[in-house]
Amino acid sequence: DAGVIQSPRHEVTEMGQEVTLRCKPISGHNSLFWYRQTMMRGLELLIYFNNNVPIDDSGMPEDRFSAKMPNASFSTLKIQPSEPRDSAVYFCASSSTEDQPQHFGDGTRLSIL
Amino acid sequence: QKEVEQNSGPLSVPEGAIASLNCTYSDRGSQSFFWYRQYSGKSPELIMSIYSNGDKEDGRFTAQLNKASQYVSLLIRDSQPSDSATYLCAVNINQNSGGSNYKLTFGKGTLLTVNP
Repeated sequence: DAGVIQSPRHEVTEMGQEVTLRCKPISGHNSLFWYRQTMMRGLELLIYFNNNVPIDDSGMPEDRFSAKMPNASFSTLKIQPSEPRDSAVYFCASSSTEDQPQHFGDGTRLSIL
Repeated sequence: QKEVEQNSGPLSVPEGAIASLNCTYSDRGSQSFFWYRQYSGKSPELIMSIYSNGDKEDGRFTAQLNKASQYVSLLIRDSQPSDSATYLCAVNINQNSGGSNYKLTFGKGTLLTVNP
């Protein structure tokens, strides 16, 4: 069975550029989560969707971050403009329902120069 | 602020020993509890989930939950070098008593090293 699929796996770009991260959840999963992981702060929830609707975006750090889920099989996390402090590993996870175990994608390692 | 606390380690055990990983959480409303394993440079992988007080065993892994003490632990029996990884404790909390707004809060993880 296909797991959570994220792209790209690695992204290196210059400060000020727009960055778009993509995620395809496990088929049949109704909840999708975006996380950011850094050494200093660990794994932090940025936003989650239930049935394509954003439920909690309180973890989104700034207005530069936005996320969409136009359908059940696709979500994007966008950073515009990007800054060096956004450098981190971004994970997407999905679960059958929001209270069930989450399964993670391989992550996108983002470096902003 | 709802928190999940873990000893960052590193925890070092010899091969074949029992590794004991501990986690405490601050919110009594917490309803489900998970342990994830994360190898360096990889994504978190779910290894155990537990929802009620007591022990739950799966192979060499045993999760223990004590809601009164707000404590959850993971025991790894017959530790192997391949168990060397960071173990993340995660606690799912419904933040909205009138509806559904779940948040899975992760501890910062305990680095386990199993020495051959």
